[in-house]
Amino acid sequence: AQSVTQLGSHVSVSEGALVLLRCNYSSSVPPYLFWYVQYPNQGLQLLLKYTTGATLVKGINGFEAEFKKSETSFHLTKPSAHMSDAAEYFCAVKVGGFKTIFGAGTRLFVKA
Amino acid sequence: NAGVTQTPKFQVLKTGQSMTLQCAQDMNHEYMSWYRQDPGMGLRLIHYSVGAGITDQGEVPNGYNVSRSTTEDFPLRLLSAAPSQTSVYFCASSYSSGTRYEQYFGPGTRLTVT
Repeated sequence: AQSVTQLGSHVSVSEGALVLLRCNYSSSVPPYLFWYVQYPNQGLQLLLKYTTGATLVKGINGFEAEFKKSETSFHLTKPSAHMSDAAEYFCAVKVGGFKTIFGAGTRLFVKA
Repeated sequence: NAGVTQTPKFQVLKTGQSMTLQCAQDMNHEYMSWYRQDPGMGLRLIHYSVGAGITDQGEVPNGYNVSRSTTEDFPLRLLSAAPSQTSVYFCASSYSSGTRYEQYFGPGTRLTVT
């Protein structure tokens, strides 16, 4: 069965530091992979996605993620955290057809 | 172009009451789905539809019914609300063509069952 694992339910970084949010997936077919961000009391906003082609994907707000098939990973990074990046982040995988499976989420805290 | 709309934004129900969460999209997407979001559990798929007249169960369908009479609308019905259904509910619609895939989420409905 397909699944998504996000390592760390909470991550805390200092402003200006590297952001690294980890995501591993299992899928029996080539996956489509996504990162979403959710600000408090709001809906989900797509940060970036991988479908095919280049394995390094750039998204909005300076985030990027790299699809590593050998490691079944799709970690999210940002070189320099900003206070406005504080939110919850969800990794997701599309598992055939239209069904999407989500990870449990990682809440990012950014310290001044 | 409103995208995906959901009503109501907030709702409080008593145990045993019924209600319908409304979801509509104006993008002519064939695929629509309902998720519930609970702390520490991400989003879990309740029901989905691949087109008008076609629905199927997701991971957590118990206690919920859906129907899809039109492409635009995909209501979620709670027949007899239970406290375990206290959650935030998101509706989504999706489009797929070749390797292109887009999914759009509504703003959510926060439901409390007392």
